[in-house]
Amino acid sequence: AQKVTQAQTEISVVEKEDVTLDCVYETRDTTYYLFWYKQPPSGELVFLIRRNSFDEQNEISGRYSWNFQKSTSSFNFTITASQVVDSAVYFCALSEFQTGANNLFFGTGTRLTVIP
Amino acid sequence: DTGVSQDPRHKITKRGQNVTFRCDPISEHNRLYWYRQTLGQGPEFLTYFQNEAQLEKSRLLSDRFSAERPKGSFSTLEIQRTEQGDSAMYLCASSSGSREKLFFGSGTQLSVL
Repeated sequence: AQKVTQAQTEISVVEKEDVTLDCVYETRDTTYYLFWYKQPPSGELVFLIRRNSFDEQNEISGRYSWNFQKSTSSFNFTITASQVVDSAVYFCALSEFQTGANNLFFGTGTRLTVIP
Repeated sequence: DTGVSQDPRHKITKRGQNVTFRCDPISEHNRLYWYRQTLGQGPEFLTYFQNEAQLEKSRLLSDRFSAERPKGSFSTLEIQRTEQGDSAMYLCASSSGSREKLFFGSGTQLSVL
């Protein structure tokens, strides 16, 4: 069965600090997809990134970067030079190829607070 | 692209009553999803439509829950004989393909008293 663990329930940082949000996953499928979503106070989940299990290249998008390591089953998310607008709950999610073609399995989320 | 819209934003009901929520997906998206989110948890998958066909249902979706998507456009989620345990945020999402990114609505917050 699939599992997504976000061990950090809440993180607080001061503006301009870097912060890394951890995500560890479990799956028996050899083909799967990993996602990060952001849920600001408005409640609407916003897609950030999708990564398939065959693509271990790290990705950078502006102040955001993602580190995917199959050896440790981790897909960590780093925000560089954090800003107050980054304050939100961040969810890591897994979609298995064989059993989860059309549904995402989410972790419990990490609430990030950026203090001005 | 006007996004996914859900109505109502908030619903308060008494235990035992029936409630219905509506979701309007992004117009060109043929896939529509319902998720449920309780406080401090991540969203949990409930059901999925491709066009008007309901193709997948979670075990979480008891027989008191029913979802429809007539004509493959908007969708409704009905909960009959609500229970306090049904209190949650009900999220709707749509996408253009399998494993593509989901576009979520702002959700309907249900409180069952």
